[in-house]
Amino acid sequence: DADVTQTPRNRITKTGKRIMLECSQTKGHDRMYWYRQDPGLGLRLIYYSFDVKDINKGEISDGYSVSRQAQAKFSLSLESAIPNQTALYFCATSGTGGPVRNEQFFGPGTRLTVL
Amino acid sequence: GEDVEQSLFLSVREGDSSVINCTYTDSSSTYLYWYKQEPGAGLQLLTYIFSNMDMKQDQRLTVLLNKKDKHLSLRIADTQTGDSAIYFCADHTGANNLFFGTGTRLTVIP
Repeated sequence: DADVTQTPRNRITKTGKRIMLECSQTKGHDRMYWYRQDPGLGLRLIYYSFDVKDINKGEISDGYSVSRQAQAKFSLSLESAIPNQTALYFCATSGTGGPVRNEQFFGPGTRLTVL
Repeated sequence: GEDVEQSLFLSVREGDSSVINCTYTDSSSTYLYWYKQEPGAGLQLLTYIFSNMDMKQDQRLTVLLNKKDKHLSLRIADTQTGDSAIYFCADHTGANNLFFGTGTRLTVIP
């Protein structure tokens, strides 16, 4: 079974709709992250959480919000989706302490299309 | 903020060596990673190098780091069709986050 799962895997929605992307992990990691991937731009960090009570904005948090419901769950919401939020979204988790423990493990991604 | 740059595309013939380059700007980097993304999948860690190292070899992979020039490279020896993927360098800075490059799409021609 996958260590980091994301639901849904694909979603098409309309401008103005509220969307939630969910992420679950079984790695027991404290740290969780949400990224978006756009062609030619690489991965950009949206939000990250170092534990259940810690939420931090990343590079491109405008238009997004997150909720860390438990150590294993981190969800990303688009309150009012717009077309330029069309992208591939990845959740990731990591431990702490050195390059091996800081390695980020990625989910399979959610492809979101906003019409 | 940190900038991590890569060329977008690289094509090589099967059996040749591939060299993927990356430049970064943050001088407080503690270690740097190379991740591989296969089609339809998330990223997987390939290798990493501490910022106080010059070189690291791991089977067919060789990582070179020039800290003075803030230049990182990944060499894949005897490139195979299964190496076709997008390769990302990522910089772990003192801020405890990873900054990813734009990704280099490697195409291996049979």
